[in-house]
Amino acid sequence: AQSVTQLDSQVPVFEEAPVELRCNYSSSVSVYLFWYVQYPNQGLQLLLKYLSGSTLVKGINGFEAEFNKSQTSFHLRKPSVHISDTAEYFCAVMNTGFQKLVFGTGTRLLVSP
Amino acid sequence: GAVVSQHPSRVICKSGTSVKIECRSLDFQATTMFWYRQFPKQSLMLMATSNEGSKATYEQGVEKDKFLINHASLTLSTLTVTSAHPEDSSFYICSARHSRGTNYGYTFGSGTRLTVV
Repeated sequence: AQSVTQLDSQVPVFEEAPVELRCNYSSSVSVYLFWYVQYPNQGLQLLLKYLSGSTLVKGINGFEAEFNKSQTSFHLRKPSVHISDTAEYFCAVMNTGFQKLVFGTGTRLLVSP
Repeated sequence: GAVVSQHPSRVICKSGTSVKIECRSLDFQATTMFWYRQFPKQSLMLMATSNEGSKATYEQGVEKDKFLINHASLTLSTLTVTSAHPEDSSFYICSARHSRGTNYGYTFGSGTRLTVV
C-alpha cells in the first residue's frame, strides 16, 4: 500500500516570495506522483506529475517539483508566488499498476500582500 | 482535452430523500471513474471505483446501499445518495482515469456540495 505525508497543514508566505510545499511518500513498489491544486468549492486541477524520466518536473502556473527517490520526497516549489496562488494543495501517489490515487492531507498556501 | 463535467454543483435536499450526482467525461471514454468525499478542510476520501458495465468496488466502511453507483456507459457514472441524512452533507468529487499514449492521468470534476436539511 502507498501513503502520503504532507507535514505542513498551512504555509503562510508573502507575495513574490519563494515557497516550498513538502510531500513525502511511502511505497514498497514504484510509484507515480502528482500535485493537485484545489480552489474553494471546486474540484482538483492537476499542477504536475512525475511518471518517469527527468526527476525535475515543471507544471502549470510556474510550479515545479523534484522527485527524490532516496528521500522518497516530491516537494513542490515556486520561486515567486502570487496572491492568486492561495489555495489548497494536495500531493498524491499511485502505484505503477495504475490503480487508485492516494492523497495526502493537503497544505493550505496563504499568500498575503 | 480530458474534461470531466459534474452536475449539479450544489444541491440542497430534505432528509430522507435521494439525490443523484452525475459525472461525465466529455471528450474521452472513461472505463473507470472514481468517487470521493471531502469533509471540510480535509483530504479526499475514496468512496468507490466505478467500472463501466460492472459493479462498483467500494472502499471499506462505505455503505454500498447508501451510495449507489451506476456506470452504464463509457462516458457517464452516477452516484445516488439514498435516504440522505444531515451527516451525508459533504463535498463529493468524481474523477475519471484517462490514458493517451504514455500520458496517464486523472481528471476531476468540479465537485458537488450536498447539504441535507
